[in-house]
Amino acid sequence: GEDVEQSLFLSVREGDSSVINCTYTDSSSTYLYWYKQEPGAGLQLLTYIFSNMDMKQDQRLTVLLNKKDKHLSLRIADTQTGDSAIYFCAVPFSGGYNKLIFGAGTRLAVHP
Amino acid sequence: KAGVTQTPRYLIKTRGQQVTLSCSPISGHRSVSWYQQTPGQGLQFLFEYFSETQRNKGNFPGRFSGRQFSNSRSEMNVSTLELGDSALYLCASSVRDNEQFFGPGTRLTVL
Repeated sequence: GEDVEQSLFLSVREGDSSVINCTYTDSSSTYLYWYKQEPGAGLQLLTYIFSNMDMKQDQRLTVLLNKKDKHLSLRIADTQTGDSAIYFCAVPFSGGYNKLIFGAGTRLAVHP
Repeated sequence: KAGVTQTPRYLIKTRGQQVTLSCSPISGHRSVSWYQQTPGQGLQFLFEYFSETQRNKGNFPGRFSGRQFSNSRSEMNVSTLELGDSALYLCASSVRDNEQFFGPGTRLTVL
């Protein structure tokens, strides 16, 4: 079945760039998503990329998609302490409409 | 436009009881999905409703059920609660089959 994998932790210095990586197994996914979760909160949709795109930029966020390697990444430029959170990569289940398969989440810690 | 709302935000129950959680989607959104989030299993899909019909179902036992009303509001029910049902239950709504917007969740604790 569909599987989504992410590294669990990332620590960066304030002002540096953060890169969070994700790999997935199902190549039929049309959209791929990045969500952010802050402590005690629900999931915030950060951005998404359509599968026929290689890159999408949205202010400080850049999403790169390598379909051949089934690899998705999220780059956060000029990382701030407010970016400290858990970031989830999510892929729609094949044929599953709004059924998302989530990675385990990457905890981003930003230190001064 | 108001976001997805979930009630109650926190709930404490004992084993064997049953519980009903409610979700009000963003106005105009007809799809509502439910997810369970636990430290051990992460985020897992429970089911999705669209126009009052269950369109997708995850791999959860029959104790977990849901429904959707004509105004798109949805409820999920868990019967015969077990300790392992303690989790954050998240509801998401969407107007198209791509962007899903999540509510703040209901934190369920089973004692």
